[in-house]
Amino acid sequence: AQKVTQAQTEISVVEKEDVTLDCVYETRDTTYYLFWYKQPPSGELVFLIRRNSFDEQNEISGRYSWNFQKSTSSFNFTITASQVVDSAVYFCALKRPDSSYKLIFGSGTRLLVRP
Amino acid sequence: SAVISQKPSRDICQRGTSLTIQCQVDSQVTMMFWYRQQPGQSLTLIATANQGSEATYESGFVIDKFPISRPNLTFSTLTVSNLSPEDSSIYLCSGGGGYNEQFFGPGTRLTVL
Repeated sequence: AQKVTQAQTEISVVEKEDVTLDCVYETRDTTYYLFWYKQPPSGELVFLIRRNSFDEQNEISGRYSWNFQKSTSSFNFTITASQVVDSAVYFCALKRPDSSYKLIFGSGTRLLVRP
Repeated sequence: SAVISQKPSRDICQRGTSLTIQCQVDSQVTMMFWYRQQPGQSLTLIATANQGSEATYESGFVIDKFPISRPNLTFSTLTVSNLSPEDSSIYLCSGGGGYNEQFFGPGTRLTVL
């Protein structure tokens, strides 16, 4: 069965701190796709990154970075020098290589960045 | 990236009525998805809508309660029928093809009294 686990329900940090959001996934597929989304208080879901299972290179985009490790089935997300605007719920998701193209979401991690 | 709009953005409805949510994508997409997000929860897939065929519903969701239309490659509607307070949620439309990026609309916040 496919499953995405985000064990951290809520994280609170002070502005400028670094913070890592954990994502652990389960799948028997050798090909799969991993995603991160941000949901700010306004409610829309903002796409952050897509990674396929054959690309284990870490990705950096500004203050955001992602660490994909197949050996531990993890796809963690780090925000460097956090800002108040980073406060949101962050979802990790898995997509299987079948024709359904369905996204399987984790339960989300609520990040609160305090000034 | 695709831009997805939804109407209405929010609504307050009476028990027993229905609400139809519209989803418009600014480009043609193969598949459109409808999700429900109950307060404080993650996203749950309701159904997948393909143009020209019946929607495919997930376990626990039925067509009578959530009829879906997909008349073309840029538009879909979701109706939530016979509303009850338990239907109070955010409903999100999503579009995308295959394993590429999947984008979401801004959501429709439904409150049922």
